[in-house]
Amino acid sequence: DAGITQSPRHKVTETGTPVTLRCHQTENHRYMYWYRQDPGHGLRLIHYSYGVKDTDKGEVSDGYSVSRSKTEDFLLTLESATSSQTSVYFCAISWGPGGEQYFGPGTRLTVT
Amino acid sequence: GESVGLHLPTLSVQEGDNSIINCAYSNSASDYFIWYKQESGKGPQFIIDIRSNMDKRQGQRVTVLLNKTVKHLSLQIAATQPGDSAVYFCAEKTPDKLVFGAGTILRVKS
Repeated sequence: DAGITQSPRHKVTETGTPVTLRCHQTENHRYMYWYRQDPGHGLRLIHYSYGVKDTDKGEVSDGYSVSRSKTEDFLLTLESATSSQTSVYFCAISWGPGGEQYFGPGTRLTVT
Repeated sequence: GESVGLHLPTLSVQEGDNSIINCAYSNSASDYFIWYKQESGKGPQFIIDIRSNMDKRQGQRVTVLLNKTVKHLSLQIAATQPGDSAVYFCAEKTPDKLVFGAGTILRVKS
């Protein structure tokens, strides 16, 4: 987890409220990713970024938006949280596309 | 405990024995593969990788084997230790991202 932090690490929120998760890296990697992890599903890609202000959708992007205004920060926003978004969220970074990814410690989000 | 482990295949081995964890991949054009280890409450950690021009790669106590004919790779852990208990994922490289398998739970019995 060295060089990658996620905040908050745990959050409980109510249905319909907005939530923003933050990923911060000190490694100057170009690519950043947001995944969610649910029982039996492995890691599923939500959104990724290939540079400042450059983002693209992953396989489960509905209900999520992202922003990257600086190399070191990648934000994931749930505009109106739903119970189906209860999950563990991981941020990852890599030098290039499809290369080795380094993961943060995760954020456990519970939507009640 | 970590809820990510629910519904995953489980491999139980005796401490000191060798472990073999298997993974099937889907895309015959995939040219790079990674094995990750995820301990309870933590993010995945890189273990070892292999490119498609290789059949075998060895690390410290770990070996990855790649069989492109049947689209299969395996992770072998020698002399398994209690600290090896975790969920293990394989990942395959598509043109612009990694695709992860669901994972296998490794439990080490002392």
